[in-house]
Amino acid sequence: KAGVTQTPRYLIKTRGQQVTLSCSPISGHRSVSWYQQTPGQGLQFLFEYFSETQRNKGNFPGRFSGRQFSNSRSEMNVSTLELGDSALYLCASSLEAVGSYNEQFFGPGTRLTVL
Amino acid sequence: QKEVEQNSGPLSVPEGAIASLNCTYSDRVSQSFFWYRQYSGKSPELIMSIYSNGDKEDGRFTAQLNKASQYVSLLIRDSQPSDSATYLCAVNNKRGGADGLTFGKGTHLIIQP
Repeated sequence: KAGVTQTPRYLIKTRGQQVTLSCSPISGHRSVSWYQQTPGQGLQFLFEYFSETQRNKGNFPGRFSGRQFSNSRSEMNVSTLELGDSALYLCASSLEAVGSYNEQFFGPGTRLTVL
Repeated sequence: QKEVEQNSGPLSVPEGAIASLNCTYSDRVSQSFFWYRQYSGKSPELIMSIYSNGDKEDGRFTAQLNKASQYVSLLIRDSQPSDSATYLCAVNNKRGGADGLTFGKGTHLIIQP
């Protein structure tokens, strides 16, 4: 079974631009979560989507948004990019909605650099 | 108050020895706990999940959970140089009624040949 895929793998943008990242979960998985990883803050939860609905949201500004499609694929968008948005963006999928006993599996990530 | 705490390391262990990684968490209602391994430049890889007090073994890995003391640990037996990585502890807890995973910042493990 194929794992979680993310595209693109690398992105370079300039301040003020916007970016869209894509994630395809493991076949049969219905939940997709997004995380931001930086050396200083570690892994921080952005949001989770399940059945095309945002189920949870982390403490990030409204510039960060996402959506999920009927085939469970998900996109996240960051508008008005800032230098501090440079990070590794990770997508994780799980069989059902993130809950007490659901394991999450990560994709390879998208490395975003904002200049 | 940090929700999930790990010693950042580096933790240096000789090859063949037992590596012991620890994690404490603050939310008493946490119900599930996960260990991920992350190699430099790669994404986290799930190693173990544990939900009940006690030990859970999988090959060379043993996860230990003590909910009363709010800590979870990972033991790696017969450590190999390929085990050198950052190990992330993740805890599932409820925030505002919704579930979510909170990660520690990870322990950098070095296995010395």
